[in-house]
Amino acid sequence: DAKTTQPPSMDCAEGRAANLPCNHSTISGNEYVYWYRQIHSQGPQYIIHGLKNNETNEMASLIITEDRKSSTLILPHATLRDTAVYYCIVRVNGDSSYKLIFGSGTRLLVRP
Amino acid sequence: DSGVTQTPKHLITATGQRVTLRCSPRSGDLSVYWYQQSLDQGLQFLIQYYNGEERAKGNILERFSAQQFPDLHSELNLSSLELGDSALYFCASSAQTSLLAGANVLTFGAGSRLTVL
Repeated sequence: DAKTTQPPSMDCAEGRAANLPCNHSTISGNEYVYWYRQIHSQGPQYIIHGLKNNETNEMASLIITEDRKSSTLILPHATLRDTAVYYCIVRVNGDSSYKLIFGSGTRLLVRP
Repeated sequence: DSGVTQTPKHLITATGQRVTLRCSPRSGDLSVYWYQQSLDQGLQFLIQYYNGEERAKGNILERFSAQQFPDLHSELNLSSLELGDSALYFCASSAQTSLLAGANVLTFGAGSRLTVL
């Protein structure tokens, strides 16, 4: 199973871009990278996912390196409401399971 | 509202008791996942059901059990409760139509907060 490594905490100023790195050096060719976030004790919220190509949606951009061993989640204009724990997850493939194993994540603090 | 409904939102009970947490998945989703999050801890995967069948098991205690019913709602049963079982319990659902489906996004509910006194 591919594992991920994230810095335990980061901060950025409101209105600036937040760049959250993730290392997944043991990822295999057919495994997706997912990003979720959890605001306080709410249920985790899906942000974005990708396989090889960079992806963008209304919430964020995902940049995956060419060797797929790392990725970066970019929140282009962070707001105070983006303060949360961000999880980078590589999907675990089982016989017929798509379970996601959450690590410790990165605690992002957006400063006013 | 994510579309995943969990009840009850809060539950306080005593050690040794048994409780049942309920989850209704998003309309059309066949898979249900249960996660436990203790205070200041990460999300621990407990168990997954797909269309009524158990598909994956995580670090779920023997005192815990779950099932998914024909209408696709799921229940997590926690028995012989201990103080350490106090936690947030999250349910998530996904479509997961095929092993070859590629990406599979989980949608989480708001959680059930269990307090064991």
